[in-house]
Amino acid sequence: GDSVTQMEGPVTLSEEAFLTINCTYTATGYPSLFWYVQYPGEGLQLLLKATKADDKGSNKGFEATYRKETTSFHLEKGSVQVSDSAVYFCALSPLYNQGGKLIFGQGTELSVKP
Amino acid sequence: DAGVIQSPRHEVTEMGQEVTLRCKPISGHDYLFWYRQTMMRGLELLIYFNNNVPIDDSGMPEDRFSAKMPNASFSTLKIQPSEPRDSAVYFCASSLVAGGYEQFFGPGTRLTVL
Repeated sequence: GDSVTQMEGPVTLSEEAFLTINCTYTATGYPSLFWYVQYPGEGLQLLLKATKADDKGSNKGFEATYRKETTSFHLEKGSVQVSDSAVYFCALSPLYNQGGKLIFGQGTELSVKP
Repeated sequence: DAGVIQSPRHEVTEMGQEVTLRCKPISGHDYLFWYRQTMMRGLELLIYFNNNVPIDDSGMPEDRFSAKMPNASFSTLKIQPSEPRDSAVYFCASSLVAGGYEQFFGPGTRLTVL
C-alpha cells in the first residue's frame, strides 16, 4: 500500500543554518504531496503542497519539489530561525483518492538553537 | 472562518470513567477525521466520515471507542470505559474534496487518564 517515510529526528540546527528534511514515498501513480507543521501545543497546519511531478511548493521560506524519478519530496529552507522549531510531517493523498484521507509520515522534530 | 473547534482542550479523568470529546468542523467541509497522537505511536487515524457517514473505522483501537456524527457541524469521540493507555492528544480535522484534500486540524484535546 501507499506509504511515506521521513528521516528520523530530532534534527538540531543553529540559527541561520540550512535545513533539509528528507521524505520519500511509495504510491501508485502520482499522488498529491504535502508538508504539514506542528508547533508545540498546536494542531497540524499545512505548510506547502505539490499536486504533480516537478511542481515546487513554497511557503514562509520553505520549499519542496515533487520528484517523480526519485519518489521524493524533501523539505528545505535556506536559513532557519528559532521560531521554525516544530515537528514536520510529510503526507500524501493517493491517486484517485476515494476516501479523502491522507497518509502521514512519522514526523521529524526540528530544534533550532540561537 | 473560525477553523475546526474542539472541546474540551484538556481533560483529566480517572480510569473507568466515560470521556466524550467534541468537534465542530469547518462549515461546508464534507470529510471529518479523528486522530490520536502519542510519543510512542505517533499520529494515528482512528476514524473518518464523509457527509456524516463513517467510511473507515479500522483505526479505532477497540470497542471502548466509538464515534458519531449526527449532523454536518458536530462529531463526538467517546471512550467508555477509559484506561490510562488512552492518554494522548486527540485531533479532529476536516477537509473538502473539492479543495484538493487539504486537511484542517483543530487544536486538539489533551486527555489524561489517571
